[in-house]
Amino acid sequence: AQSVTQLGSHVSVSEGALVLLRCNYSSSVPPYLFWYVQYPNQGLQLLLKYTTGATLVKGINGFEAEFKKSETSFHLTKPSAHMSDAAEYFCAVSDIQAGTALIFGKGTTLSVSS
Amino acid sequence: GAGVSQTPSNKVTEKGKYVELRCDPISGHTALYWYRQSLGQGPEFLIYFQGTGAADDSGLPNDRFFAVRPEGSVSTLKIQRTERGDSAVYLCASSATGGQNTEAFFGQGTRLTVV
Repeated sequence: AQSVTQLGSHVSVSEGALVLLRCNYSSSVPPYLFWYVQYPNQGLQLLLKYTTGATLVKGINGFEAEFKKSETSFHLTKPSAHMSDAAEYFCAVSDIQAGTALIFGKGTTLSVSS
Repeated sequence: GAGVSQTPSNKVTEKGKYVELRCDPISGHTALYWYRQSLGQGPEFLIYFQGTGAADDSGLPNDRFFAVRPEGSVSTLKIQRTERGDSAVYLCASSATGGQNTEAFFGQGTRLTVV
């Protein structure tokens, strides 16, 4: 069965520091990979997605993620954190075996301090 | 509407009661999904509609849960004989076609508390 593991339920960084949120997946077929962000009292919002092609994907708000098949990873990064990046981040996978439904990780809460 | 709308935003019910949760998807979106998010967990898939029909209901936990989408737009998730373990945030999402690489837009969810 497909699964997603997000290492670290809580990550804290200083404003201006590098953000790295880790995501590993398991899938027996090439996956589609997604990162969603959830701000307080708001719905999930798509940050970026990988389907095919270029393995480095750029998303909104300066975030990017790289699909590494050999490592079964799709880590999310941002060079310089901003206070407004504080939120909960979810990695998700979708593939043929799972139909079109998304399988989510448990989420990582990002805190940004000044 | 501009986005996916879910009502009510909060629902408190007594154990054993029946509840209905409503989802208004983005106009024109044929695909609609229900997910459940328990505290400290990511969303878990419940059911997927393509138009009026349930294309995949493999995530429904048991026969107390049922969902409909009679006109291919608004959907209602129905829970019978609620249990305290049903307490969670129920999320609805819609996408234009339901293809695997199409973006799903989420509502803000309905927080269900069973007391």
